Amino acid sequence: DSGVTQTPKHLITATGQRVTLRCSPRSGDLSVYWYQQSLDQGLQFLIQYYNGEERAKGNILERFSAQQFPDLHSELNLSSLELGDSALYFCASSPRLASNTGELFFGEGSRLTVL
Amino acid sequence: GQQLNQSPQSMFIQEGEDVSMNCTSSSIFNTWLWYKQDPGEGPVLLIALYKAGELTSNGRLTAQFGITRKDSFLNISASIPSDVGIYFCAGQLYGGSQGNLIFGKGTKLSVKP
Repeated sequence: DSGVTQTPKHLITATGQRVTLRCSPRSGDLSVYWYQQSLDQGLQFLIQYYNGEERAKGNILERFSAQQFPDLHSELNLSSLELGDSALYFCASSPRLASNTGELFFGEGSRLTVL
Repeated sequence: GQQLNQSPQSMFIQEGEDVSMNCTSSSIFNTWLWYKQDPGEGPVLLIALYKAGELTSNGRLTAQFGITRKDSFLNISASIPSDVGIYFCAGQLYGGSQGNLIFGKGTKLSVKP
């Protein structure tokens, strides 16, 4: 158990819909990262937050947005969903902004299926 | 975007055999890491490497940070059934956004008892 909690574990929805994925980082971790894992693309970095502020952006679509709240939990919002958005979405956390160790603690992921 | 070329994509081996996988890139990395993902779980860090040429072991696992800083390998000795899973290399780019790891596409390891 990494200490990172993600909900929901599974989500099935239709094209055009909007969903919200939630992540609670490990106790004390200030940085939260979102990754998308699909079969053909591997793990793709989406976005990073540190203590409520956006710190780095990766290959995140404009239809996706995220935020980190004062209690440090984070939400990833996916809107106007397309079939290609079906994937595993991982949240990870680390203690510091400059995670020089590169050690991220991953949750178990939220599997999104868009029909 | 930046890419890590991880090989092989998959391996089917007999229990007791040694395993070797590697990652290469055209870019220079500050840090190389190896993660393992079990089915239904998130990736878990196995080994982290911080200096060119560094060789680090974790039990039966050994990994090296290539001297050019553009590659890394992971060896698993005397494989056992619980080694099954997907192994990912990951790296932090030199001069890149800290905490933004770039992942390889993974090596899926299957072990026959």
